[in-house]
Amino acid sequence: NAGVTQTPKFQVLKTGQSMTLQCAQDMNHNSMYWYRQDPGMGLRLIYYSASEGTTDKGEVPNGYNVSRLNKREFSLRLESAAPSQTSVYFCASRSGQELYGYTFGSGTRLTVV
Amino acid sequence: GENVEQHPSTLSVQEGDSAVIKCTYSDSASNYFPWYKQELGKRPQLIIDIRSNVGEKKDQRIAVTLNKTAKHFSLHITETQPEDSAVYFCAASIGSARQLTFGSGTQLTVLP
Repeated sequence: NAGVTQTPKFQVLKTGQSMTLQCAQDMNHNSMYWYRQDPGMGLRLIYYSASEGTTDKGEVPNGYNVSRLNKREFSLRLESAAPSQTSVYFCASRSGQELYGYTFGSGTRLTVV
Repeated sequence: GENVEQHPSTLSVQEGDSAVIKCTYSDSASNYFPWYKQELGKRPQLIIDIRSNVGEKKDQRIAVTLNKTAKHFSLHITETQPEDSAVYFCAASIGSARQLTFGSGTQLTVLP
């Protein structure tokens, strides 16, 4: 049981380049989330998907797009990377059961130069 | 939207002493309050959580208390050990998708 798998683990991009962060979960969870983590700012929600086929903006969606490809996969795309997007990105998933905690992936450390 | 404030940002305690981290939230509709521990370079891991219909929950050396009237909740760690050193995050859940809003984190250092 792998839980939540994120790829890649590390990435360096040049300003203006694009890339997609991949996330997959094997726990049959309904809801999936993308967070970014910056020093001193905790984790901030970028986008989430309450269920397959739906996506919604979180606190900091600008510069990002997402795709809920199927129940297992939820990808995050940076169309034109900016240095302000240098961060650690975490994907998480949650069972549809009421009031149940998240399971986080291991994170992607992204540097935009 | 929901806003979660967490204090202190750093906390140092002697091994064996207790540590307390406090959080306040803004939206009275929040009803789920988890705490996460994150070791350096690792993913956040859920250590304890509390629902809004409960005032206190314990799990061995850790406990969480919730005051709905004052909209604050706290993490208590007793008999601290060096392996408790980490960043701790509180969070509050709101919305049908139960998206979490996190506090800014507390760096706990347990001194041997």
